[in-house]
Amino acid sequence: GAVVSQHPSWVICKSGTSVKIECRSLDFQATTMFWYRQFPKQSLMLMATSNEGSKATYEQGVEKDKFLINHASLTLSTLTVTSAHPEDSSFYICSASEVRSSYEQYFGPGTRLTVT
Amino acid sequence: EDKVVQSPLSLVVHEGDTVTLNCSYEVTNFRSLLWYKQEKKAPTFLFMLTSSGIEKKSGRLSSILDKKELFSILNITATQTGDSAVYLCAVDPSGTYKYIFGTGTRLKVLA
Repeated sequence: GAVVSQHPSWVICKSGTSVKIECRSLDFQATTMFWYRQFPKQSLMLMATSNEGSKATYEQGVEKDKFLINHASLTLSTLTVTSAHPEDSSFYICSASEVRSSYEQYFGPGTRLTVT
Repeated sequence: EDKVVQSPLSLVVHEGDTVTLNCSYEVTNFRSLLWYKQEKKAPTFLFMLTSSGIEKKSGRLSSILDKKELFSILNITATQTGDSAVYLCAVDPSGTYKYIFGTGTRLKVLA
């Protein structure tokens, strides 16, 4: 089946630093990748949609200069949290859609970010 | 504003019980509704529903959509402890695959 990986799975960083999270589709090509944020006991909130070779589309209220997304290939998208603050601490999950069946999103295992 | 509401928020049952989880939605241009199971980390896909009245079934799980009343249910029969998870409902409101997720129903199945 389709597998999506994320790296790192857990990261702690100091306030003011930047953190990069990678999302890879391991056995399929993903034209579209989605980035979600999930706070404790809350649901997934879509942050942005990333299409290979083009700029990401951000949801309302998500700062594009703070959450930099790059989708350089059909198997890799990255999310960089710039100048992280404690309120950015959250669980970040990516998902990827196959070219042939766009409706089904395969989720990565998530990255837990803690900003101290 | 598009929204997806799930109920109940949490549920505790014993093994062997049958549970019904609800998902209601209000969206501008419905395309599809998906159910996911989230254990400790990434959600895993269960069902996608696009048409009213057609039941999707996989083992002990089944789901159906009512596009007139704007809701879907997920049934789990003969529950097992391995069914304990958060069940998420997601709706595509515009045909762009930008899903809106409900807050989920946290199911705990006791042995």
